[in-house]
Amino acid sequence: SAVISQKPSRDICQRGTSLTIQCQVDSQVTMMFWYRQQPGQSLTLIATANQGSEATYESGFVIDKFPISRPNLTFSTLTVSNMSPEDSSIYLCSVESGGGTEAFFGQGTRLTVV
Amino acid sequence: QKEVEQNSGPLSVPEGAIASLNCTYSDRVSQSFFWYRQYSGKSPELIMSIYSNGDKEDGRFTAQLNKASQYVSLLIRDSQPSDSATYLCAGITGGGNKLTFGTGTQLKVEL
Repeated sequence: SAVISQKPSRDICQRGTSLTIQCQVDSQVTMMFWYRQQPGQSLTLIATANQGSEATYESGFVIDKFPISRPNLTFSTLTVSNMSPEDSSIYLCSVESGGGTEAFFGQGTRLTVV
Repeated sequence: QKEVEQNSGPLSVPEGAIASLNCTYSDRVSQSFFWYRQYSGKSPELIMSIYSNGDKEDGRFTAQLNKASQYVSLLIRDSQPSDSATYLCAGITGGGNKLTFGTGTQLKVEL
């Protein structure tokens, strides 16, 4: 399985500011996925990031709020923009294994907006 | 109907017992399924995947897929306190690689 490094691991941010989360993979992957896990909830897919094209966002998530970059096959960033307390969540980066659809996760970013 | 459904629990079992975790899915889910374990404050960890009807065993874990009844289960034999975690069932939706997760079942293994 791929080794996924995500940072920061946690942050406390002021409302109205933005935070950029980085995800680095130790091997080249076609697709990278960004999930949100709100307190006590399961994982919800925010968007799928392919290198060289715009990210594909799921219903309820928009690019202005969650801009994503994918400059190469091993790296992606997710920005949470104009934050409010409702954005307090764990944000997770995920990639698939080389051979199939099994997904592996980074250690997550625990975001608290105050 | 939600695409992937789980009972949130908590499910409590005594140490050494078999824990049985269940998941049902809708027609919108293709038949590739995954079980993840998530300890509190940690990210999900893949423990089993199953693609074919029937049973798949890996150590103390057995995944079962019943396509006719549209359910997936995870059995944990000889449950240990270290198995106490939330178990997430996930399936592929959207005709591609999108993973949809259930809400998770909290398992507590008691001494």
